[in-house]
Amino acid sequence: DIQMTQSPSSMSASVGDRVTFTCRASQTINKYLNWYQQKPGKAPKLLIYSGSSLQSGVPSRFSGSGSGTDFTLTISSLQPEDFATYYCQQSFSTPLTFGGGTKVDI
Amino acid sequence: EVQLVESGGDLLQPGGSLRLSCATSGFSFSSHAMTWVRQAPGKGLEWVSSVSASGGSTYYADSVEGRFTISRDNSKNTLFLQMNSLRAEDTAVYYCAKDRITISWDFDYWGQGTLVTVSS
Repeated sequence: DIQMTQSPSSMSASVGDRVTFTCRASQTINKYLNWYQQKPGKAPKLLIYSGSSLQSGVPSRFSGSGSGTDFTLTISSLQPEDFATYYCQQSFSTPLTFGGGTKVDI
Repeated sequence: EVQLVESGGDLLQPGGSLRLSCATSGFSFSSHAMTWVRQAPGKGLEWVSSVSASGGSTYYADSVEGRFTISRDNSKNTLFLQMNSLRAEDTAVYYCAKDRITISWDFDYWGQGTLVTVSS
């Protein structure tokens, strides 16, 4: 199984900050890495698919990069509605696996 | 508008069985793989099972293989998860999710979740 490791597990940030999260796969997954945002009590929301493709309707302040084993999600200017938990997920092979999440709070 | 609505969650004892449903609308259900993802209280996301658009191929996490069965009724636009031999560690919110394209293994729409609690 492919293990997904996210870092950090939590972080504190301020509105307007540029923040970057990291996700590492235990083996190469090419570009098959997706990012989700989840707020408390809500379902996850797809932000980025295939490593760097912005899902329709997602603000352009979100961007993804990477391939192989190392990936990043960047929020260029953190907004109040961005305080949430972010998960990466590999779609290279089953069993599909998620990272443990990065929680962003104030 | 795409909608996914789960139902069937309940409180039950270890060893029990439960069938979850996910009623969908607003997209061509028979053209998309579908997936169940769960989230234990206070924990992260865990993939449970997926089914191809036709229903002919199914995939399971090791933790549920042999106990859970995913299926779909394309005539009713509904996804199911039959859960048998339930354990305390199966306690979670269960989400159904739609593949972004036919079979992409990334999920652009999710239901609101249904809570399954396994406890004696």
